[in-house]
Amino acid sequence: SQQGEEDPQALSIQEGENATMNCSYKTSINNLQWYRQNSGRGLVHLILIRSNEREKHSGRLRVTLDTSKKSSSLLITASRAADTASYFCATADFNKFYFGSGTKLNVKP
Amino acid sequence: SAVISQKPSRDICQRGTSLTIQCQVDSQVTMMFWYRQQPGQSLTLIATANQGSEATYESGFVIDKFPISRPNLTFSTLTVSNMSPEDSSIYLCSVVVGQATQYFGPGTRLLVL
Repeated sequence: SQQGEEDPQALSIQEGENATMNCSYKTSINNLQWYRQNSGRGLVHLILIRSNEREKHSGRLRVTLDTSKKSSSLLITASRAADTASYFCATADFNKFYFGSGTKLNVKP
Repeated sequence: SAVISQKPSRDICQRGTSLTIQCQVDSQVTMMFWYRQQPGQSLTLIATANQGSEATYESGFVIDKFPISRPNLTFSTLTVSNMSPEDSSIYLCSVVVGQATQYFGPGTRLLVL
């Protein structure tokens, strides 16, 4: 399977702290994306990083990609209670997308 | 971007019956996908819904169990056939717009008794 693994599986932090989630994948990719899912609803796209990029920022989000290690990390800075959700990485191989196992983030107010 | 709606949003069904889930997009899109998300799990791709031709199924999923229709570029249906409790999941459709970003519908929560 091309599905990746994410760690940690669950993360609980205080509001204002930073949250870091990691994703590892197995095969070559065109790009890697991060998604957020609130309470079993549809996923919301957060950020996309291409295979030739190493780092990307969007607001309080910072994503890194290391294709040699087949890994990516998502950093959420100055977390808020509203950031509580499950976060998934997804790798794209041409027209197919494979999702990681997800990290459940709980931000305590 | 794309706005996607799904019907029904949730259902409770008896084993042995079938349920058809509809996915409607507010614009014409080429790439449309169906996923399953079992409780507490990640998303698993069921198939790619191809307009005008048979869907492309992933390993472990077959057309007899999950028939898919894609009559045009804005609409698709997924049927979960001869359901068992193991089919209890959230079913999500998604589309790709632009370079590679997926947009997801709100999902259909299915409980099979």
